[in-house]
Amino acid sequence: GAVVSQHPSRVICKSGTSVKIECRSLDFQATTMFWYRQFPKQSLMLMATSNEGSKATYEQGVEKDKFLINHASLTLSTLTVTSAHPEDSSFYICSASKTGGINTDTQYFGPGTRLTVL
Amino acid sequence: DQQVKQNSPSLSVQEGRISILNCDYTNSMFDYFLWYKKYPAEGPTFLISISSIKDKNEDGRFTVFLNKSAKHLSLHIVPSQPGDSAVYFCAASPIQGAQKLVFGQGTRLTINP
Repeated sequence: GAVVSQHPSRVICKSGTSVKIECRSLDFQATTMFWYRQFPKQSLMLMATSNEGSKATYEQGVEKDKFLINHASLTLSTLTVTSAHPEDSSFYICSASKTGGINTDTQYFGPGTRLTVL
Repeated sequence: DQQVKQNSPSLSVQEGRISILNCDYTNSMFDYFLWYKKYPAEGPTFLISISSIKDKNEDGRFTVFLNKSAKHLSLHIVPSQPGDSAVYFCAASPIQGAQKLVFGQGTRLTINP
């Protein structure tokens, strides 16, 4: 199988603080990881694509200084929401790809992290 | 601008009958389409895909139909089972292997015993 975990599953923080979310591929090496966010009753929106050892590629409209992504190893990527505000409250979900782009359907998703900013 | 749309937020179907989930897209550059299934507190899992050179792909109880001229695809599940109750997302990609997926809003399918 191909299992992707996320930690924490749920986090509540105060406005102005930073929150780090971890995404791990448990039984495979992920050359590429993706970060999505989902607002209630809306679709998953791709925020950024990260490749191990290089800078993440952010989608249009996503602030790279606000959402820091680090993909330091082939099994771990982190998303840090800096100086979080209530409008950042959302469901953040990561996915990981084994092959780095050959087959689109080899994206394996984590269970998601529910962030609530008070 | 919602490039991939699932206009039905929910669908309820009797066990054993056919479930039909619909998806429309606006970007003619989309070339590859996928369906994902999501249970609560879990990540989406890949179900079935179709490339634009085909109009049908079948895998067991699941069949995806693509109508390029109408920019419409549908997922048929037959016969529907209680374990099929989940949220179903359609997704599109400009080219197969591009990996940048654009998702629809999802449709919650409930299979009634």
